[in-house]
Amino acid sequence: GQQVMQIPQYQHVQEGEDFTTYCNSSTTLSNIQWYKQRPGGHPVFLIQLVKSGEVKKQKRLTFQFGEAKKNSSLHITATQTTDVGTYFCAVSNFGNEKLTFGTGTRLTIIP
Amino acid sequence: GAGVSQSPRYKVAKRGQDVALRCDPISGHVSLFWYQQALGQGPEFLTYFQNEAQLDKSGLPSDRFFAERPEGSVSTLKIQRTQQEDSAVYLCASSSEGLRTQPQHFGDGTRLSIL
Repeated sequence: GQQVMQIPQYQHVQEGEDFTTYCNSSTTLSNIQWYKQRPGGHPVFLIQLVKSGEVKKQKRLTFQFGEAKKNSSLHITATQTTDVGTYFCAVSNFGNEKLTFGTGTRLTIIP
Repeated sequence: GAGVSQSPRYKVAKRGQDVALRCDPISGHVSLFWYQQALGQGPEFLTYFQNEAQLDKSGLPSDRFFAERPEGSVSTLKIQRTQQEDSAVYLCASSSEGLRTQPQHFGDGTRLSIL
């Protein structure tokens, strides 16, 4: 079945430093979504990428979809304590609403 | 408007008991999903409804798990003869209909503990 790996599994950064998480799929994707889950909370949708090579920005967050549509990245510039949480990529296959979540990257911020 | 509502928030049951978990999706959302999330892991897909039709139940771990959405709105996930490995957070999500995969809106989940 679909396999989605994220690296790193954990990341500890000083407040103000940048952070990047990478998502890799074994198959070509129709689209990819990113979610954030705060400790004790539920996943919250951040963004969806559809086009090959697509780049989208949300304030300090930059999302990128690979040219081959097999990988994606999320980059946070100048992290803040509010960025703490686990970031998941989630993928679906063509014509299927079912999401397969990545393994997640847990971000902690050192004040 | 209101988001996805799940009840109960916490459920403790003894091994062998049956449990029922409820999900109230966002009004008007056609698609409803159930996921199981173990501690420190990502959500794992269980099953998916489009209105009242269960289109995919490939993620249900065994025939002890059963889900329904009889009127195309509220859904119930039932687990029979619970076992310790069923302990997890059960998340429900809903999404609207569209030409492409839509964002999923998650509830707060039900944390199930089997003793």
